[in-house]
Amino acid sequence: GQQVMQIPQYQHVQEGEDFTTYCNSSTTLSNIQWYKQRPGGHPVFLIQLVKSGEVKKQKRLTFQFGEAKKNSSLHITATQTTDVGTYFCAGPPFNQGGKLIFGQGTELSVKP
Amino acid sequence: DSGVTQTPKHLITATGQRVTLRCSPRSGDLSVYWYQQSLDQGLQFLIQYYNGEERAKGNILERFSAQQFPDLHSELNLSSLELGDSALYFCASSVGAGGSYNSPLHFGNGTRLTVT
Repeated sequence: GQQVMQIPQYQHVQEGEDFTTYCNSSTTLSNIQWYKQRPGGHPVFLIQLVKSGEVKKQKRLTFQFGEAKKNSSLHITATQTTDVGTYFCAGPPFNQGGKLIFGQGTELSVKP
Repeated sequence: DSGVTQTPKHLITATGQRVTLRCSPRSGDLSVYWYQQSLDQGLQFLIQYYNGEERAKGNILERFSAQQFPDLHSELNLSSLELGDSALYFCASSVGAGGSYNSPLHFGNGTRLTVT
């Protein structure tokens, strides 16, 4: 079945440093979504990418969808302590209804 | 507040027992999803319902079952519970049925199940 892999699993950064998490799918995705889960919280939708090569920005966050629609990345510029949490990518398997397969997530910790 | 309500918040029960988790989707959302989150397994998709019908299935155990009622709330039934079933169970809802374009998922706060 489809697998969505995320690396790294953990990332510890100093406040102000940049952070990137990478997401790779074993199959082509029609779209990809990113979620953030704060410690003790629930996943919260951040963004959806649909087009090949698409790049979207939300303030210090930059999301990219690969040309082949099999990989994606999230880059945070100048991390802040409010960025702490686990970032998940999620994609739908082809022709399998509406289910979203989540990656394992990248847990980001930020040292002030 | 996502608008998705899950009850109960916490559940502690013994092995072999049966429990029911309840979810009320966001107003207007027709799809309900159930996910299991444990420390070493991430977010595992269990099942999706759309407007009362099962739409997609994940690696849901035979001991687990779910349904979506006419008022669109959903219940996840877990039976013959084992220690390994201890996890956080999330319900999420979305407007559409999914497919080539997935509408965003809105997650509830989860039910933490502890099996002793």
